[in-house]
Amino acid sequence: GENVEQHPSTLSVQEGDSAVIKCTYSDSASNYFPWYKQELGKRPQLIIDIRSNVGEKKDQRIAVTLNKTAKHFSLHITETQPEDSAVYFCAALGDYKLSFGAGTTVTVRA
Amino acid sequence: KAGVTQTPRYLIKTRGQQVTLSCSPISGHRSVSWYQQTPGQGLQFLFEYFSETQRNKGNFPGRFSGRQFSNSRSEMNVSTLELGDSALYLCASSSEGRIYEQYFGPGTRLTVT
Repeated sequence: GENVEQHPSTLSVQEGDSAVIKCTYSDSASNYFPWYKQELGKRPQLIIDIRSNVGEKKDQRIAVTLNKTAKHFSLHITETQPEDSAVYFCAALGDYKLSFGAGTTVTVRA
Repeated sequence: KAGVTQTPRYLIKTRGQQVTLSCSPISGHRSVSWYQQTPGQGLQFLFEYFSETQRNKGNFPGRFSGRQFSNSRSEMNVSTLELGDSALYLCASSSEGRIYEQYFGPGTRLTVT
């Protein structure tokens, strides 16, 4: 089955700096890669996603890149703000099943 | 549109009991997936239903089962509860047949004592 690895597990950045989270997947048939943000005590929220026919997608301060050949994708957050502090999960879709990475705890220092 | 709802929100059970959790998807969404979230294991896929049919199942023992009704509402059942079943159980719904853009419910926090 699909195996998604996510790095780093924790990330501390200064407010205003950028944050990058990287994920790799194993199933070359996977064709959809969402990112979720989960604040403490809340449900995961979809923040951005990318499909396999696209290499990059941007939405304001967040962007996702996908390299299908290398089977990895990344989340980029620019100009980080305190409200960006949360756990971020990457995922890959294959065969009606979303497989999630282990999560990255992002802390934005004021 | 109302979001995904789950009931109950909190549940305390003892070992050996069984439990049923309920999920109501966003109106018009026909796909419902279930996940178990624990601090050590992250988000683990349990199963996915579309039009009352289970299309995939994760690596969980047979004590975990689910079903979906004709109105797309879904239930999951855990029989013979074990301490290790303590977790946050999340469901997510999607409008497309290939479960793109899943939206999560608030979860049911299950504690097994």
